[in-house]
Amino acid sequence: AQKVTQAQTEISVVEKEDVTLDCVYETRDTTYYLFWYKQPPSGELVFLIRRNSFDEQNEISGRYSWNFQKSTSSFNFTITASQVVDSAVYFCALPDTGRRALTFGSGTRLQVQP
Amino acid sequence: DVKVTQSSRYLVKRTGEKVFLECVQDMDHENMFWYRQDPGLGLRLIYFSYDVKMKEKGDIPEGYSVSREKKERFSLILESASTNQTSMYLCASSLPPGQGHTGELFFGEGSRLTVL
Repeated sequence: AQKVTQAQTEISVVEKEDVTLDCVYETRDTTYYLFWYKQPPSGELVFLIRRNSFDEQNEISGRYSWNFQKSTSSFNFTITASQVVDSAVYFCALPDTGRRALTFGSGTRLQVQP
Repeated sequence: DVKVTQSSRYLVKRTGEKVFLECVQDMDHENMFWYRQDPGLGLRLIYFSYDVKMKEKGDIPEGYSVSREKKERFSLILESASTNQTSMYLCASSLPPGQGHTGELFFGEGSRLTVL
């Protein structure tokens, strides 16, 4: 069965600090996608990124970057120069291909203090 | 843009009441899902559906049922609400992976249910 572990329950940083959110996964699939979602206080989960297991290159999008390491089954998310608007719950997810659903980690709540 | 709309953002019900949570998507997605979100537990899959009149149990189906009479609508039903069903309920839809689609889920804003 798929499993996603986000060991950090809550992280608090001061604005402009860099922060890394960890994600470790387990899967028997040989090829797969990995996802990150953001849930701001409004409640709706917002898609951030999808990575294919074939592509281990780091991805950068503005202040966001993702480090995918298949050897350690990790898909970590770094926010550079954090801002108050980054305050949210962040979820890592892995497809449960047998059910077309996503298996989510328990989430990491990020608080960015001004 | 894909739009997933959940009928109620906040509901307060009494123990034993029948509760309907409605979800509508406007992108002709085949797959629809109901998740429950609780602190420390992340999102847990309750039920999902690949097509009209089709449903499959997720990880925590007990106490819930679903209905999918039309492709765009997926309803979650609590036959007799209990206090341990107080939670945030999230509906999502997607296209199946393949043909350029990655199985990304599109979520509604959530329905926060309180059962007294």
